[in-house]
Order: sequence, then structure tokens, then C-alpha cells
Amino acid sequence: AQRVTQPEKLLSVFKGAPVELKCNYSYSGSPELFWYVQYSRQRLQLLLRHISRESIKGFTADLNKGETSFHLKKPFAQEEDSAMYYCALSGDAGGTSYGKLTFGQGTILTVHP
Amino acid sequence: SAVISQKPSRDICQRGTSLTIQCQVDSQVTMMFWYRQQPGQSLTLIATANQGSEATYESGFVIDKFPISRPNLTFSTLTVSNMSPEDSSIYLCSVPHRFHGYTFGSGTRLTVV
Repeated sequence: AQRVTQPEKLLSVFKGAPVELKCNYSYSGSPELFWYVQYSRQRLQLLLRHISRESIKGFTADLNKGETSFHLKKPFAQEEDSAMYYCALSGDAGGTSYGKLTFGQGTILTVHP
Repeated sequence: SAVISQKPSRDICQRGTSLTIQCQVDSQVTMMFWYRQQPGQSLTLIATANQGSEATYESGFVIDKFPISRPNLTFSTLTVSNMSPEDSSIYLCSVPHRFHGYTFGSGTRLTVV
């Protein structure tokens, strides 16, 4: 069974400080990993996916298959980064779980001025 | 990425009644997904809705309680039947996008009294 774990429910940092939101996963094949963000009163939106290997709003995430992790990082946090962040996993293409997202419990990030 | 219109955005319903939630996508998609987010919890997949076939339900969800229609490639409905207070949740639809991951509707916040 696939599982996503976000160990921190709440994370607080000051503006300009580095931030890392942790995500670990369990999956037997080659998963696709995502980070989604939900700002206050807005819909859930994609922040990053591991296959694109791009940086969005200064955030990066590297898939570490050895540690089964997909941690989200930003070197200098901004107040507008305050939001709920979800790590999610989808099974590999052709598998029965392809397209079905399994979400972690989410981490509420608060960036203080 | 696809744009999803979901309605209603919220509703307060009496126990024992049913509510139908609609999702309209601005492009044709083969797969649509329905999720539930219970208070304080993460998102859980309810079912996968493919056009022209019966929806596929995840463990713990049954068609009698959550009937789904998928009459064409741009539209789907989820009905929450015979509601109880335990059904109070946010319900979301989602569609996959080849390059942008998965897009979500704005959600329907359901309160059962």
C-alpha cells in the first residue's frame, strides 16, 4: 500500500530563514511525487512535481529514492509562503494506482515577520 | 492546466437527505477523481470516475452512499446520500493533466445537521 508521511503538522519560521518541510513515502514501484499548496481561502494548487525538477516560488524538492523522501525546501522564507502544504504520491503509469493521489496529513507553515 | 468549476461551494443539509455536487471541466478528460477531506484530516480518494463505465470506489466507500455520474468527458457529479453528521467534510473533484499534475476544484464544504 502507498503511504505518505509528513511528520510536522505545524512549522513556524521567521522571514528570511530557511525552511524545510519533510515528506517520506512508502511505495513499491516508481512513484510520482508532488507538493501541493493551499493558501487561505484558495483552492488546492500544484506547487511542484518531481519529474519537472523545476523551482517554483523559490521552492525546490528532490526525490531521494534511497531515503524514500521528497522534502520541500526554500532558502529564504517569505510571509506570503504561509499556507498549508501537502505532499502527495501517485502510482507509476500503467499501474492500478496511477492517477490516484495519496496525500500526507499536511504541514501548516507560518512565516513570521 | 484545466479549469474546474465545482458547485455548490458550500451547503448545510439535514440528516437523511442527499446532496449532489457538480464538477464541470473546461476540457475533455478521461479520468476524474473525487476526494473527501474530513475536518482536520487530509484528502482521501473516494472514487475514480471514467466516462462510459461505472465508477471505481476505494476501500471504505460504496456506490449506494456516494453514487457518481459521468455522462460525458467534461462533467461529473457526486451524490452524498442519506447524510449523517459524519459526512460533514469538504468534497473535491480533480482531473489529471499531462504536464501540470492534477487540478482540483474549489471544493464543496458540506455541513450536516
